[in-house]
Amino acid sequence: DIQMTQSPSSLSASVGDRVTIACRASQSISTYLNWYQQKPGKAPKVLIYAASSSQSGVPSRFSGSGSGTDFTLTISSLQPEDFATYYCQQSYSTLWTFGQGTKVEIK
Amino acid sequence: QVQLQESGPGLVNPSETLSLTCTVSGDSISDSYWSWIRQPPGKGLEWVGYIYYSGSANYNPSLKSRVTISLDTSKNQFSLKLSSVTAADTAVYHCARVSKYHGWGIHYYMDVWGTGTTVTVSS
Repeated sequence: DIQMTQSPSSLSASVGDRVTIACRASQSISTYLNWYQQKPGKAPKVLIYAASSSQSGVPSRFSGSGSGTDFTLTISSLQPEDFATYYCQQSYSTLWTFGQGTKVEIK
Repeated sequence: QVQLQESGPGLVNPSETLSLTCTVSGDSISDSYWSWIRQPPGKGLEWVGYIYYSGSANYNPSLKSRVTISLDTSKNQFSLKLSSVTAADTAVYHCARVSKYHGWGIHYYMDVWGTGTTVTVSS
């Protein structure tokens, strides 16, 4: 199985901050990496697919980068509605796996 | 727009089979791939499996011996069955549509999700 490890597990930030979340795969997955946002009690929502392609309707402050084993989700200017948990997920293998999640909290 | 809705019992006895259905509206079940994902209380997302429109499926290895996902094209639904459940299977279960992006290769991602249904395993 391909293991996905996110860092940090949680972070505190202020509105307007630039936030970076890392995701590392246990083997190379090219750009087969997706990012999701989940708010409490809600279904996840896809933000980024194929490592850097933005889903329609997602604000431009969200961006993704990386290839191989190391990936990054960046929020350029954190907004109040961005406080949530973020997950990476690989689709390189036919057996998909998620990272453990990164909770973004208000400082 | 495309909508997915999970349904099924909210309480299942230990050792029995959990059965859930996802009803799809706004899209044909024959045109996409479909997935189940679960989330135990207070924990992260766990991929359960997905099914192709052909009817073949891939499952999480940790659940493979107990899980079956199937399609019902006549009702535009797909289903999840998980046998021999224990308290560890207590979770919110989400169904999702899998979309494809043709870049360097075919990239799959889950773009439409159901709201989720809570299943508790307890006697």
